[in-house]
This record gives sequence, structure tokens and C-alpha cells, in this order.
Amino acid sequence: DGGITQSPKYLFRKEGQNVTLSCEQNLNHDAMYWYRQDPGQGLRLIYYSQIVNDFQKGDIAEGYSVSREKKESFPLTVTSAQKNPTAFYLCASRPPGRGLLLYFGPGTRLTVT
Amino acid sequence: DQQVKQNSPSLSVQEGRISILNCDYTNSMFDYFLWYKKYPAEGPTFLISISSIKDKNEDGRFTVFLNKSAKHLSLHIVPSQPGDSAVYFCAASRDDKIIFGKGTRLHILP
Repeated sequence: DGGITQSPKYLFRKEGQNVTLSCEQNLNHDAMYWYRQDPGQGLRLIYYSQIVNDFQKGDIAEGYSVSREKKESFPLTVTSAQKNPTAFYLCASRPPGRGLLLYFGPGTRLTVT
Repeated sequence: DQQVKQNSPSLSVQEGRISILNCDYTNSMFDYFLWYKKYPAEGPTFLISISSIKDKNEDGRFTVFLNKSAKHLSLHIVPSQPGDSAVYFCAASRDDKIIFGKGTRLHILP
């Protein structure tokens, strides 16, 4: 079945450590996105990529980094520079020609202590 | 600067009645609007969308209305069912970016 996978579902890290969240899709979508959800904040855009080897900062990119070496994969690294990393992270992809309809993965809950 | 606003954090509706969720936006350049539904600890799922050239789109129990002059859209769910209890996000798009509202939590009461 086609879809978007994010792993793991729950992730725990100590403060000061970098951590990489996985996002894989087999939908053959060119565009991929990373959002962060905090209580009362809705979904905020971290990074997005329209094509392999290209990506743009979203509204809250500070403290994060991404790579897009393959069409299927768009990993997000939460660095130690991110001041409030504990959140629910959502990856999404977008098919061409469908307006801006996003397909979301199941999310990763990151807790940093 | 919040470009997409959902001013009601929560809404409670009796089962079988109509649920109306509201959304306001500030950027007149937005050309496509979407509603997503989200359950706890899951990714949002697409519900319904509307292009800026239309004022209404209907899909089963769900209807979205767009009032461009007022920069306002609303989602109507009728009749409301228990499975509709979730957080609903309004989203607006322009170019390659999609901006989400903060969401409205809908409670369907038995």
C-alpha cells in the first residue's frame, strides 16, 4: 500500500543531543513538508522541499535541518540549537496538480528532557 | 502575524444537529482552502477543499462555504455524528506554501 511512514512513533532524547526523525513516502510525490504541532499552536511549517536536492525554510526553521537526497525520503534533524524541541512532528507529501492537498504521515512525538 | 485564524478553540454540538466551524484569513492572495480533521496522536486527514473561484463545495455531510469579500470560510457538518469528534484545521494556500489555523476541537454530544 502507498503511504507516508514516520518512525519511531515516540522518541526520547536528552537535552543537547541532535536527533533525526525519519519520513519516507512511496507515493511518488515530488513535494514533501515538515510541520510541528504544539498545543494551541496549530501546525507550523518547518521546512519543505519541492524536488530532490532542493529545500526551503518554513516559518520556524531555526534549530532544524533537512536533506532531500532521494525523492522518497525527507529526514528532519532537530539540533541542540532548537530551544523547545518537545513537540509532535508531522511529515507530509503533496501530489502534483492537486492544488495544495497534503497527505500526512502518522507523526512522531519527540520528548526532550 | 496569524494569517489563518480559527477563533473558537472548541465547539460542542448535539449528535444529529449541524456543526459549523469558522475560519478567517487575512491574505487576499490565498487561492485554495482546505479543511483537515485530526485525531489525537495521528496525522491530519484531508476532508474537503474549495478553490477561490467558487463559493461552495459539498461532499456528503460536509459543505464548505467561502466568502471572499469577508475573507471567511466555514465548514458545515450535518448531521453531526460521534465519529466527527476531532480537531479540525482550516488551511489556506498560495504558491507552494500552506498555512494552517490553530484548530477547533469539536465535541459531539450524545
